[in-house]
Formats: sequence, C-alpha cells, structure tokens
Amino acid sequence: NAGVTQTPKFQVLKTGQSMTLQCAQDMNHEYMSWYRQDPGMGLRLIHYSVGAGITDQGEVPNGYNVSRSTTEDFPLRLLSAAPSQTSVYFCASRPFSTGDLSYEQYFGPGTRLTVT
Amino acid sequence: AQSVTQLDSQVPVFEEAPVELRCNYSSSVSVYLFWYVQYPNQGLQLLLKYLSGSTLVESINGFEAEFNKSQTSFHLRKPSVHISDTAEYFCAVRGTDKLIFGTGTRLQVFP
Repeated sequence: NAGVTQTPKFQVLKTGQSMTLQCAQDMNHEYMSWYRQDPGMGLRLIHYSVGAGITDQGEVPNGYNVSRSTTEDFPLRLLSAAPSQTSVYFCASRPFSTGDLSYEQYFGPGTRLTVT
Repeated sequence: AQSVTQLDSQVPVFEEAPVELRCNYSSSVSVYLFWYVQYPNQGLQLLLKYLSGSTLVESINGFEAEFNKSQTSFHLRKPSVHISDTAEYFCAVRGTDKLIFGTGTRLQVFP
C-alpha cells in the first residue's frame, strides 16, 4: 500500500492564483481530512469528509473548498491564494465507523505552499 | 468543547537524559488521548494512545504516557532519550468526528 499520497510536495503561487492540492489514499478509509500546520499554532483542521459525497468544515475553512467524489481522493482547492495561506498542508485518513474509538489517522508527507 | 494545551514549545535535552513533555486537556465527554510524532520533513505518526483501561500506555520505542483524570493531564515521558528522538510531538484529544491537536513541543536532543 502507498498509504496517503500528496502532490505536489512544493508549490509557489502568486496572490490571486488558484490551485488544487491533491490527496489520495489506497486503504479504503472513509474519513479524510485536511490540516494546515503553522509555527506555534500546531495543526488546524480545514475540512473533513466522512465518506464520498459528504464534506464538512473544520476550524479554518475560509478560502478553501473541498469535494469528495470517490473514497480514494480528497482534493483541496485554493480559490484565490493569499499570503496568509502560506503553510504546510497535510492530508490524513482513517477508517470511520460507529464505535471506532481508535481515531488513528494516517498522514501524508505534506505539501509546502508559499504564496507571494 | 475539547481542547489541548502543550505548555512547552521547545524542550532541549542531552542524550541519555530523561524527558517529560507536558499535555493538559479539557473535555466534557469520554476522553480519548493521543501523542503523535513528526520527524523532520515528514508527516505525523501515531506514537501512543489512551482509550480505556490501564492509565499507563507505552510505545514501542520507549516512550510512555500516563492518563491522569484528576489533573486532566497526559504527559509523555522517556527515561533516556536518543539523538533520533529529535522531533516535534503533538498531543491530541478526540472531538466529534475529528482530532484536536495541541500546538506541539519540539524536542531537541543534543549529544
């Protein structure tokens, strides 16, 4: 299994540009999520999905869109990039079922995004 | 609402010394706690977790954490650290359909 993969690894955008960060997993996990990591702020949840066709907002959703058309893929779209979105972005997945207490998430290697 | 506080942003320590990384939580529901580790330029990996049962949980590489309900703490300890333990460590608590992470503690082990 490749686990959770993310592309690209690095990206530089100009203010106002749009782009999509790709995330895919091959573990048949229902739950997928996107975090951003900033110095001194830890990981903050952007959006998450508990299955294909279902998405919900996390604590910092503004400026980002997601969709979940398949179990495997969960792309994150930046509609109009801003310098405040300079960050490292992590995608994560885990099984999701009622009564599942483990909440062990599997993280991708991250995408380092710089917006100038 | 659930929350996690990691008071120490950085912990420098010499190799073979003991270390404690502090984590305090707030939760009004059943408590499930986790420690994740992030090695340089990598994603996060689960280190250990407390779901129920014994309040002392251990990882395969010598770390342990103790769930203390009265002090609302889940501190991470290792009796003797190695250079390879240099990483950022995140404490997390389970929320509704998500994990809530602390701000992280950077452990720097010096030779």
